[in-house]
Amino acid sequence: GNSVTQMEGPVTLSEEAFLTINCTYTATGYPSLFWYVQYPGEGLQLLLKATKADDKGSNKGFEATYRKETTSFHLEKGSVQVSDSAVYFCALSYSSASKIIFGSGTRLSIRP
Amino acid sequence: DAGVTQSPTHLIKTRGQQVTLRCSPKSGHDTVSWYQQALGQGPQFIFQYYEEEERQRGNFPDRFSGHQFPNYSSELNVNALLLGDSALYLCASSLASGNANYGYTFGSGTRLTVV
Repeated sequence: GNSVTQMEGPVTLSEEAFLTINCTYTATGYPSLFWYVQYPGEGLQLLLKATKADDKGSNKGFEATYRKETTSFHLEKGSVQVSDSAVYFCALSYSSASKIIFGSGTRLSIRP
Repeated sequence: DAGVTQSPTHLIKTRGQQVTLRCSPKSGHDTVSWYQQALGQGPQFIFQYYEEEERQRGNFPDRFSGHQFPNYSSELNVNALLLGDSALYLCASSLASGNANYGYTFGSGTRLTVV
């Protein structure tokens, strides 16, 4: 079946460090891929998305590229801030009429 | 434009009791999905409602049931609560005629604690 695997956390970095959170997926066909972020005590917010192979999603300095050949959608940011501390979820879905399949989440903590 | 509204925000129930959680979708959305997020885990799909019918269901027992009203709002009911039902319950709305480009909008969730 379809699934998403992401690197386990927690990930702790210093401010202005480079961030990579790995995500790979198993799916048939061509799902859309997402990164969601969850700040403490809150629900999920869509961070970025990509809908087809080689698409790059980007938002707030974060980027991820849909790589079908490696079935990956790694999240990157060139210079993290303390305010980026949150839990990040990689996810896939086929349409607004289908369910979202989430990874288990990666907790990110940024030290000042 | 209001997003997804869930109520209540927090709830404490005793084992064996029943609970009802509520969700109002984002304006213009017609589909509501419910997810359970246990502590330290990713959200798990419970079910989805469209046109007042359950359209898809995840791997959850029949103790979990739902309803969608003509105004597209939805309820999640859980009977015979177990300690393991303690979780954050998230509601997500979407437009059925859209594709994943349009994405989903999530509410802030209801934190259910079963004691």
